[in-house]
Amino acid sequence: EDQVTQSPEALRLQEGESSSLNCSYTVSGLRGLFWYRQDPGKGPEFLFTLYSAGEEKEKERLKATLTKKESFLHITAPKPEDSATYLCAVQASDYKLSFGAGTTVTVRA
Amino acid sequence: EAQVTQNPRYLITVTGKKLTVTCSQNMNHEYMSWYRQDPGLGLRQIYYSMNVEVTDKGDVPEGYKVSRKEKRNFPLILESPSPNQTSLYFCASRSTATDTQYFGPGTRLTVL
Repeated sequence: EDQVTQSPEALRLQEGESSSLNCSYTVSGLRGLFWYRQDPGKGPEFLFTLYSAGEEKEKERLKATLTKKESFLHITAPKPEDSATYLCAVQASDYKLSFGAGTTVTVRA
Repeated sequence: EAQVTQNPRYLITVTGKKLTVTCSQNMNHEYMSWYRQDPGLGLRQIYYSMNVEVTDKGDVPEGYKVSRKEKRNFPLILESPSPNQTSLYFCASRSTATDTQYFGPGTRLTVL
């Protein structure tokens, strides 16, 4: 069974304090690993797709990396508007998508 | 504007009263799916559809039905809702070419 585990569950940061979120996974035939951002009461918003170990993607203050067993989402010099829940998901060879429970990030000014 | 729409956004109903949540996308995507989101459990896939007339069970299909008669629409049907189906529901669609999945705004369902 495909499994996705995200840590920590919650992260409180001071503005400008960089940190990383972890997503560890087990999946049969990884087709892709996805990162989403979700604001309260809204649908998840797509951030990145990673396909193979060693791949990296960047968008503004966010950078996602992938190894064979885990992915990291690095937040560099975060701002209060980066506060959200960040979701990781893996897509298996049968196209099924499995999500982690998410990491809720709070950035204080 | 590319979007996934869901209706209704909020629904309070009673046990056993059949209901349908509609989902529509305007991006000509082949793949559509339904998720429920519960605190501490994350997003769990209910059903997905690879194309018209092709549907398959996700991780938590019990108590739900879907149909895909048109490419743009993918309604979720609860024939006899129960309180354990109280949840936040999301519809999503994506192109099989890009893997980028777009989510709808969500439907908050309460079953009394």
